[in-house]
Amino acid sequence: SQTIHQWPATLVQPVGSPLSLECTVEGTSNPNLYWYRQAAGRGLQLLFYSVGIGQISSEVPQNLSASRPQDRQFILSSKKLLLSDSGFYLCAWSVGLARYFGPGTRLTVT
Amino acid sequence: QKEVEQDPGPLSVPEGAIVSLNCTYSNSAFQYFMWYRQYSRKGPELLMYTYSSGNKEDGRFTAQVDKSSKYISLFIRDSQPSDSATYLCAMSANTGNQFYFGTGTSLTVIP
Repeated sequence: SQTIHQWPATLVQPVGSPLSLECTVEGTSNPNLYWYRQAAGRGLQLLFYSVGIGQISSEVPQNLSASRPQDRQFILSSKKLLLSDSGFYLCAWSVGLARYFGPGTRLTVT
Repeated sequence: QKEVEQDPGPLSVPEGAIVSLNCTYSNSAFQYFMWYRQYSRKGPELLMYTYSSGNKEDGRFTAQVDKSSKYISLFIRDSQPSDSATYLCAMSANTGNQFYFGTGTSLTVIP
């Protein structure tokens, strides 16, 4: 069966510091991968998606970036965090219609 | 106008009640409709998905789509305290990469 991992689960970072969140998927090949952000009282905002290694599409211009160095690995990064980057970050994968989410990383920028 | 509207609640019901959760949408091109359950501090879990109009049942859960009214519903029968969570609707015009999510309805089932 497919499993999606995210780490860390919780992160507190100061403004201006770098960020690296990692997501890995097991049990499937060549999945579409996604990064979402969920802010309190707001829906899920799609940040990036990838249909293959090295292929990244950005949905929202911001100071975040994403990379896909391996088929089942997706990384979300920032060189300098802003207060507005706080939120719950979710990695997801899909094959066909269904989209499956990871456990999430709660990021607080102080 | 938002693509998807969902009443945030909170909704509080006694154990055993029938729960009705709803979303409205504006884009008539939406064909795929999904419901997710999200427990506190966890990722959303896919509950059900349907294509086009009609009903789909899975155990205590029934998803209903009315495309003419641009309205979807999730019914939970014999609600349990373990159903306490936030329920998100989502929809898409195709199987591509753009899903539109509601903001979620918070449900508490009181024992």
